[in-house]
This record gives sequence, structure tokens and C-alpha cells, in this order.
Amino acid sequence: SQQGEEDPQALSIQEGENATMNCSYKTSINNLQWYRQNSGRGLVHLILIRSNEREKHSGRLRVTLDTSKKSSSLLITASRAADTASYFCATDAPQAGTALIFGKGTTLSVSS
Amino acid sequence: DAGVIQSPRHEVTEMGQEVTLRCKPISGHNSLFWYRQTMMRGLELLIYFNNNVPIDDSGMPEDRFSAKMPNASFSTLKIQPSEPRDSAVYFCASSLAGDSYEQYFGPGTRLTVT
Repeated sequence: SQQGEEDPQALSIQEGENATMNCSYKTSINNLQWYRQNSGRGLVHLILIRSNEREKHSGRLRVTLDTSKKSSSLLITASRAADTASYFCATDAPQAGTALIFGKGTTLSVSS
Repeated sequence: DAGVIQSPRHEVTEMGQEVTLRCKPISGHNSLFWYRQTMMRGLELLIYFNNNVPIDDSGMPEDRFSAKMPNASFSTLKIQPSEPRDSAVYFCASSLAGDSYEQYFGPGTRLTVT
């Protein structure tokens, strides 16, 4: 079953604007990860946030986690055309062992 | 490190043929995952191994699919016989099991069954 669900499914913005993607999940987690997938490529890990963390930054990326609402957001500031990709959240889950459960992703399109 | 290596990168085959996809995980990683990605169904976990042992194969669609990991540096996903609905991109990923489980994905194999 799907653990993470991203919202929106698709997002189109102009270069320089900020992009915000949200992820909701169902069960308790130890950590939540965000991945990026460029067209025709494999997924690439972006950032991990642990369940005891509320916010984390990495370059132009900002991730928040609200365990009470079982939700996370990924903010990309000052977007660039190269940020065009699909973005997935992934969670571990007690029943999943070492596996991650991926959402269906948000497709981000940044136009110049 | 070369990252996760998958072969072939593209495979076109006729319905009924056997297809074997190959994966070499990152050296030292002890978990290996096989995924299938389609537009309709998104990214689906098919099976994963810890220390070469299959842990969860509940995502394998049916008996036509089988996966093996004979050693820590090699895994195969076999489809026999293949069907057009098996057309998808198949990804292999590996991780070092720990408290973060960050996964490293290969470039994928694009399978087309005609």
C-alpha cells in the first residue's frame, strides 16, 4: 500500500520562483527522505530528515517534517530550469524492514 | 565507486521470450532492491534482499517473475515468459542497512515486450 502521497501531482513555475511540494504518510516513521528523478534516469537521494527533526536545509532545499500531521514539505528556493524533474518522498515503516515506501511523485517543470 | 550498474540498458523482446535483467550493487552495500516503474502504476517495489537473502517478494506480480542474488555483488531479475504488460523501466537499488537506509539507484533497464 502507498505510504507517501505527494501533492501536487504536477507543478509548473518560472525560473527564480520557489517550488513547494508536500508529502503525507500513514504510519509512524523513523525518517523521511526526498529523491529526485530526471527524465530517463534513476532516482537520486536529496535529503533525509529524522522523525525527531522538524526542519533541515541543504543548499536551496528546505525540508520540514510534522509528525503530528504525518506530513512533510520540500521547498526549492530560487528554482532553475535544471530543477525540472520528478520529486518523490520515501518513508521507512516498521513493517517494511530496510525497504522504503515511495510516493507517486510530483513532476516539477521550471521554465526559463 | 561506479555506482549501481544495470544491464542491459534497453531490451526489446517478443512476447513469450525469457528476459534476464542484471544488477551489480555498490560494493559493501548489503541490501538490494528491484523496482518497476510505469506511468500508470508509478514506482513499485518488486523484491528486496538483505545479505543476499530475499526478505519480501510480495511485490512480484506473478510466478513469471523470479529474482536471485547468488552473491553480494550480483543479482538477476528474470521474466519467463514475458508479456507486453511487463513493458516498463526496471530499477535496481542498493543500500547499506542502518538507521537511514538511503538508497542508491542504478540507471534502469527499459524493457519493451512486443
